[in-house]
Amino acid sequence: ILNVEQSPQSLHVQEGDSTNFTCSFPSSNFYALHWYRWETAKSPEALFVMTLNGDEKKKGRISATLNTKEGYSYLYIKGSQPEDSATYLCAFDRSQGNLIFGKGTKLSVKP
Amino acid sequence: DAGITQSPRHKVTETGTPVTLRCHQTENHRYMYWYRQDPGHGLRLIHYSYGVKDTDKGEVSDGYSVSRSKTEDFLLTLESATSSQTSVYFCAISERQGRTEAFFGQGTRLTVV
Repeated sequence: ILNVEQSPQSLHVQEGDSTNFTCSFPSSNFYALHWYRWETAKSPEALFVMTLNGDEKKKGRISATLNTKEGYSYLYIKGSQPEDSATYLCAFDRSQGNLIFGKGTKLSVKP
Repeated sequence: DAGITQSPRHKVTETGTPVTLRCHQTENHRYMYWYRQDPGHGLRLIHYSYGVKDTDKGEVSDGYSVSRSKTEDFLLTLESATSSQTSVYFCAISERQGRTEAFFGQGTRLTVV
């Protein structure tokens, strides 16, 4: 059974705080790693698709890094805003196109 | 927003009845997926399709069947609904097989009573 683990499960921060979450995945047979942002009552939306060891991607205040040798990825949010409140999902891409998702990290940002 | 429409958006049905959920896309993407989302679990893959009439099972396929007779439509059927199939169902599409982002529909909330 393929396990994708995310930590922490939930996180409460103040506006302006920077934060980060972890996604761990099997390091063997790596193909790609996805990050999605899921706001309440909406659909998951892709943030990043990462394929190479050492990859670092950035979108605004959100960035992600990838270590395929040890099987982890970090997602960073700089200067959190209330609109960043969402569940952040990572997903292991098994190359057939179907994704194995972690349970997510739920971020709440207080104004 | 990617053109993905799920129908119905909400449904309440009785145990033992068949139920079909529809996913319609206007993006002409080859790959389509059905996931279910339950508290305490991540999104779990039920079935996926890699082309018209080409489908395969995901990790939680028991009790479900799918069909794809056209590129744009992917149907998920619960052959005989059970209470354990009460869930939120998401359809997703992708342009390529892996290493490309998936686009999700709005979800269908199904309650089996």
